[in-house]
Amino acid sequence: EVQLVESGGGLVQPGRSLRLSCAASGFTFDDYAMHWVRQAPGKGLEWVSGISWNSGSIGYADSVKGRFTISRDNAKNSLYLQMNSLRAEDTALYYCAKDIGTTVTTSHVSGAFDIWGQGTMVTVSS
Amino acid sequence: QSALTQPASVSGSPGQSITISCTGTSSDVGSYNLVSWYQQHPGKAPKLMIYEVSKRPSGVSNRFSGSKSGNTASLTISGLQAEDEADYYCCSYAGSSTLGVFGGGTKLTVL
Repeated sequence: EVQLVESGGGLVQPGRSLRLSCAASGFTFDDYAMHWVRQAPGKGLEWVSGISWNSGSIGYADSVKGRFTISRDNAKNSLYLQMNSLRAEDTALYYCAKDIGTTVTTSHVSGAFDIWGQGTMVTVSS
Repeated sequence: QSALTQPASVSGSPGQSITISCTGTSSDVGSYNLVSWYQQHPGKAPKLMIYEVSKRPSGVSNRFSGSKSGNTASLTISGLQAEDEADYYCCSYAGSSTLGVFGGGTKLTVL
């Protein structure tokens, strides 16, 4: 069964750090780009960060650039998001999502997400 | 990185067709045929309905179709059913440093 399971969320004070993890199973992890997408309570989806299969292409939303770092360990079938200098506006449900892949881009990143985890909640509050 | 523009809400009666628009810029929607659409029911993770503008993943009903003209993409749902009532989001690839940008979402109400 194809599955993504996020972990690492919780309540954290403003300015502190948190590291999210995503464990993948049921597909060849190192064949695909992966992403983090978040959704604040009652709000829409926001793409946060993405990483190509070989970590050669990495991108961040302007709202997290310089504070968040995405990484992956293909040997462990795992995706990570290191979140530093957290702000109240980072409060959201964070989803891990698999890129469907494409031949349109040289990185094979399509920005389309065919498998989603159930999310891990991050609450930034004092 | 500005969010793509979607109408806040659309509605239709069972059996009818509706179209949801998604307007971007020449840096995202207009530059790449990499627009995707998602359906999200309350409390659930999003589900991919359309990718690469008009392709349907396996298992998605052919009542869902996508298209693009210039900087605007569209999702059409034909033969509306009660279970189609949900929030819908578009997303576009926007270059090697902005791998994705979402629209604000559209709430579909089936009357």
